[in-house]
Amino acid sequence: TQLLEQSPQFLSIQEGENLTVYCNSSSVFSSLQWYRQEPGEGPVLLVTVVTGGEVKKLKRLTFQFGDARKDSSLHITAAQPGDTGLYLCAGASYDKVIFGPGTSLSVIP
Amino acid sequence: DSGVTQTPKHLITATGQRVTLRCSPRSGDLSVYWYQQSLDQGLQFLIQYYNGEERAKGNILERFSAQQFPDLHSELNLSSLELGDSALYFCASSVGSAHTGELFFGEGSRLTVL
Repeated sequence: TQLLEQSPQFLSIQEGENLTVYCNSSSVFSSLQWYRQEPGEGPVLLVTVVTGGEVKKLKRLTFQFGDARKDSSLHITAAQPGDTGLYLCAGASYDKVIFGPGTSLSVIP
Repeated sequence: DSGVTQTPKHLITATGQRVTLRCSPRSGDLSVYWYQQSLDQGLQFLIQYYNGEERAKGNILERFSAQQFPDLHSELNLSSLELGDSALYFCASSVGSAHTGELFFGEGSRLTVL
């Protein structure tokens, strides 16, 4: 069974601080995605990483895929209240996309 | 707006009843996925259809069934409802098969079983 773990489960920080959240699995995926979900809405795709060791930047967000394609991290620089939400990693294989339990981020003004 | 439409947005029903949730994928997307999200279980994969055919099954109960129609919309049928079935049910779509992982989600259907 493919499982994704995320840490930390909850994170509350002050505006302007940096943070990193982690996504780990014992399985190899063909690609890995990060999504952000706000209360009452569906998850929204932020990024896809495919190649082991790949690093992608999206404004203040930096995503890294592990060399073995089993883990990933999301780093946010100078967090803002608008970054508040549930961050989900997802692993894709041929026939399914499974999600981790998420990291709930709260950025306090 | 993701382009994925789900109806109804909210549904309240009683134990033992049956409900149908509907999903229209983004224009051009051939794959439809159903997920269940509850506070204690996270986002759980239920089932995927590609161009009308079942492609993959996850943790879908026997009381639940789904199908994808020729016009590519999909329905998720939940029967003999139990209190524990209360959750958000999301539909997502993608252009091709699952390996890209790039899904576009609807806003969900919130089911409350009393």
